Amino acid sequence: GAVVSQHPSRVICKSGTSVKIECRSLDFQATTMFWYRQFPKQSLMLMATSNEGSKATYEQGVEKDKFLINHASLTLSTLTVTSAHPEDSSFYICSARVILGGYGYTFGSGTRLTVV
Amino acid sequence: GDSVTQMEGPVTLSEEAFLTINCTYTATGYPSLFWYVQYPGEGLQLLLKATKADDKGSNKGFEATYRKETTSFHLEKGSVQVSDSAVYFCALSDGANDMRFGAGTRLTVKP
Repeated sequence: GAVVSQHPSRVICKSGTSVKIECRSLDFQATTMFWYRQFPKQSLMLMATSNEGSKATYEQGVEKDKFLINHASLTLSTLTVTSAHPEDSSFYICSARVILGGYGYTFGSGTRLTVV
Repeated sequence: GDSVTQMEGPVTLSEEAFLTINCTYTATGYPSLFWYVQYPGEGLQLLLKATKADDKGSNKGFEATYRKETTSFHLEKGSVQVSDSAVYFCALSDGANDMRFGAGTRLTVKP
């Protein structure tokens, strides 16, 4: 149980276009989701925390107008990279908070974004 | 593909006890290895890392040594505190820079 499905796993887009990444909780309701980004050869960086039905909380230095996060339902959170540029090429991963006799966290499989 | 296997727990310890959380990995190349910590209600934080065999990562009293011969990266701390209660994730990053996470281990430290 407690599976998060993240799509797409890989995407290549042209500069200036927008890309949407989806994370779905398959067998539980995710009131809180986290979005991370991994820069090449570096560790994961938290971008934002999203709570269902409210605005996401962004970490310092993350452009909220560029990385649009929507968490409109208890099973779906989306990250849209708007007007993508090559420097946005990265690995993006989501994580959901799971309440099962306490709390835990489960991760999506990640999305490799390449902007050309 | 590359993967991480982590002792799932949960683990409950008394304050000042010794902590070990086991982590082993499989990888075709030479990955970097990480331990992340997640406190209640917060996102992941990098705790420590090691980028090559025999490297020892350390931070806040936690240590882990990259053991290529046993493909392990066990997390240890000599004396845990109540404030160490959190979920700990072992992870690896392969040559393509994608992350693979273990299942996470919940640690509860009681006074």
